Amino acid sequence: KNQVEQSPQSLIILEGKNCTLQCNYTVSPFSNLRWYKQDTGRGPVSLTIMTFSENTKSNGRYTATLDADTKQSSLHITASQLSDSASYICVVSVNNAGNMLTFGGGTRLMVKP
Amino acid sequence: GAGVSQSPSNKVTEKGKDVELRCDPISGHTALYWYRQRLGQGLEFLIYFQGNSAPDKSGLPSDRFSAERTGESVSTLTIQRTQQEDSAVYLCASSGRGRGYTFGSGTRLTVV
Repeated sequence: KNQVEQSPQSLIILEGKNCTLQCNYTVSPFSNLRWYKQDTGRGPVSLTIMTFSENTKSNGRYTATLDADTKQSSLHITASQLSDSASYICVVSVNNAGNMLTFGGGTRLMVKP
Repeated sequence: GAGVSQSPSNKVTEKGKDVELRCDPISGHTALYWYRQRLGQGLEFLIYFQGNSAPDKSGLPSDRFSAERTGESVSTLTIQRTQQEDSAVYLCASSGRGRGYTFGSGTRLTVV
């Protein structure tokens, strides 16, 4: 069964600190992995997309890593800001499947001043 | 339009009434998805349209739920005889060949 698991479920950090969110998946065959940021009351917004051959990708203060061998990904947030408070969702795409997206349960991040 | 548009943004309905939610995908996007997100929970797949192929309805929770899409245009999600457990945010996403997925802002449905 295709599954995506994220940890931690929730996280509180102080403004300016770094944090790392984890995503483990059992999706097969793997196509790509995306990290989305979802602000409260808004739709998810894409942060990064990584294919099988990519190990790391950055988008500003966000850096995603992918280990296709261990089927693990992480999202590292550097120098956190209050506006980073949101849910971060890991989404894995199945290659050539009808329901192409498998969603993780998300990590709810709160950045405090 | 520039993004995926959903309407209405908020809908309050009485238990037992029917509701219709609308999604306007990005022009040229052949794939369209509907998801449901209950408060504090992850995204739950409902239905997937790809071009003129038969839709993947495997995520629809009951026969009260149905969705339509004509070609590669607007899609509507209909919930008949709404129940309180239907209260959630309904998200639509579209994607095109070689492009990423783009989500709408969702419709917040409250059944009272």
